[in-house]
This record gives sequence, C-alpha cells and structure tokens, in this order.
Amino acid sequence: DAKTTQPTSMDCAEGRAANLPCNHSTISGNEYVYWYRQIHSQGPQYIIHGLKNNETNEMASLIITEDRKSSTLILPHATLRDTAVYYCIVRGYSGGYQKVTFGIGTKLQVIP
Amino acid sequence: DVKVTQSSRYLVKRTGEKVFLECVQDMDHENMFWYRQDPGLGLRLIYFSYDVKMKEKGDIPEGYSVSREKKERFSLILESASTNQTSMYLCASSMVDRGGEQYFGPGTRLTVT
Repeated sequence: DAKTTQPTSMDCAEGRAANLPCNHSTISGNEYVYWYRQIHSQGPQYIIHGLKNNETNEMASLIITEDRKSSTLILPHATLRDTAVYYCIVRGYSGGYQKVTFGIGTKLQVIP
Repeated sequence: DVKVTQSSRYLVKRTGEKVFLECVQDMDHENMFWYRQDPGLGLRLIYFSYDVKMKEKGDIPEGYSVSREKKERFSLILESASTNQTSMYLCASSMVDRGGEQYFGPGTRLTVT
C-alpha cells in the first residue's frame, strides 16, 4: 500500500469548513483513497473513499487531485463532535491482504 | 447502519487467566478482523477471518487464537494473559469485496495485572 503524509494537527473554528490534506505521491492506478476518523476512546469510523472522482456523502466530501498524488477531506460545517484523529489510507479496493494500516493521522481540534 | 458490538468496554484480568473477547456484527459481512491499538504503534492486525471456520494470522498472532463458528461472531482468545497484552482491542468487519471499508466496534480496553 502506498505511503501517505498528513499534518500532525490542525485547528478549525466551529461552523467553518475543515479541510484536511493528505499527500500520497506514490499511489498506483488501482489504489483507492480512504478516510477514517477516531474519536477519543472509540473505535475508528469509516468516512469516505474514492478513486479519482470527487466524492460526497452525508459526512464529508473527498477531493482528489487530477494526478491523484494528493487529496483533501472536507467537513463542510465542523462541530465540536468532529474533534478526532483523521486517517488517510491508500490501498487496493478489495482483495489480497485486507487489513487497514493507519499512520499517525491528523488530530483535528474544533474550537468553539 | 452497520453495527459491530464487542462484549465489554473495559476488562481487568490477572496474569495467566484465559480471556475471551467477543465480537458480533449484524450486517452479514464475510470478513472480520481483530486489531490491537497501542500508543505510538498504531493499529496492528492480530487475526482475520474471511468465512466461517476460516482464519488467517495477521501481523502479531503470537499469544492469541480466534474462533469463528458463526458468520456474525468472531472471538479473540488470550490463552494465558500477560501484562504485555494490556491494550485496546478492536474488532472490525467488511464485505468480502470491500476490504478497505471496514466497520469497527467500540473497542475493549483490556488491562492485565
């Protein structure tokens, strides 16, 4: 699986959009970008994934650059409950060794 | 919504005890996983299962075993608990062809004294 690089921490004002970047310059053509988050003392939560098109669901939007070397997770209106560690993962979609490998992630602090 | 439940949120056991951690998912997922999470080490895969009675070792299977007698249930067994097995244990499940989209339980914080 390709390596990802994320900032260690970020702050965001409550109600504003939180934009979390991720670099994955070694991503291969069949690898997807996945985002998870982990709120303190809880299990990780799947958020969204994408291949090359931008994706949106009820939780967030995922913007992937045209060259696929980086992506941004957008939480459109951050709330205090969005304070968590956010993990960007790049991996194949389905088969093979199916674990998810979390790096350090970005600690997002939403400020009132 | 996918729901993955774990039998306990907090557990305290003594060294040498046999420990059972239970995980149940309600979405008919084929794949189930056991991870442990430790500060500075991230998430590490212990075992996974892709079908009933099928299991595969992950990165750190030593000191653990698993059981999957029913599709919805995946158990992690610590045969003889040791203090270095004090950790947060996380169960996850996924559909067979969507391995990157895993749904996690709330975790069990196990302390071995």
